[in-house]
Amino acid sequence: GQQVMQIPQYQHVQEGEDFTTYCNSSTTLSNIQWYKQRPGGHPVFLIQLVKSGEVKKQKRLTFQFGEAKKNSSLHITATQTTDVGTYFCAPIYNQGGKLIFGQGTELSVKP
Amino acid sequence: EPEVTQTPSHQVTQMGQEVILRCVPISNHLYFYWYRQILGQKVEFLVSFYNNEISEKSEIFDDQFSVERPDGSNFTLKIRSTKLEDSAMYFCASSGEGAAYEQYFGPGTRLTVT
Repeated sequence: GQQVMQIPQYQHVQEGEDFTTYCNSSTTLSNIQWYKQRPGGHPVFLIQLVKSGEVKKQKRLTFQFGEAKKNSSLHITATQTTDVGTYFCAPIYNQGGKLIFGQGTELSVKP
Repeated sequence: EPEVTQTPSHQVTQMGQEVILRCVPISNHLYFYWYRQILGQKVEFLVSFYNNEISEKSEIFDDQFSVERPDGSNFTLKIRSTKLEDSAMYFCASSGEGAAYEQYFGPGTRLTVT
């Protein structure tokens, strides 16, 4: 079905440590977006991945799309307290733009 | 920077009552969406809207729900007879480039059904 599994559900890190969240699908995805939601906030778009094996970087964030386009990951290097929030992967299904969000990984960063 | 706005920020209603949640998408956007998020859970797709009609709706979006774009700026979600399980944060989103592009989310309306 149209769902993605995201792990881990929670991640607690010390400031400066790295963080990775993984997103897995049983079906091939045409593309995948990543969103960040701060506590009490709304989802904010981070990136979209389209090509097989694609890697994109945004400062300390590195996004990857698997070769088979069935999985994706977000890696944050040297976390900061501003990274706190829940990170969701969200593939787009069909031409209507429907996003199917994963369960999200909640990141907490201890200063 | 343009943003999606939603009103009210919090709506409390009694079970069985009708509610209308309002959204003003970004002005030149063409694709509109409603999502909901039950407290502590993931964001769930409800409906997408393009060219004045529903493009797709989820199983959650049953006959109790409807959407409308009554004028050139507003996009509304109506729940005809609210149930306790409708309590959630409702997010409106819009996209301008096309259906497969970045979606801009509004701040949400927290609906509490008592």
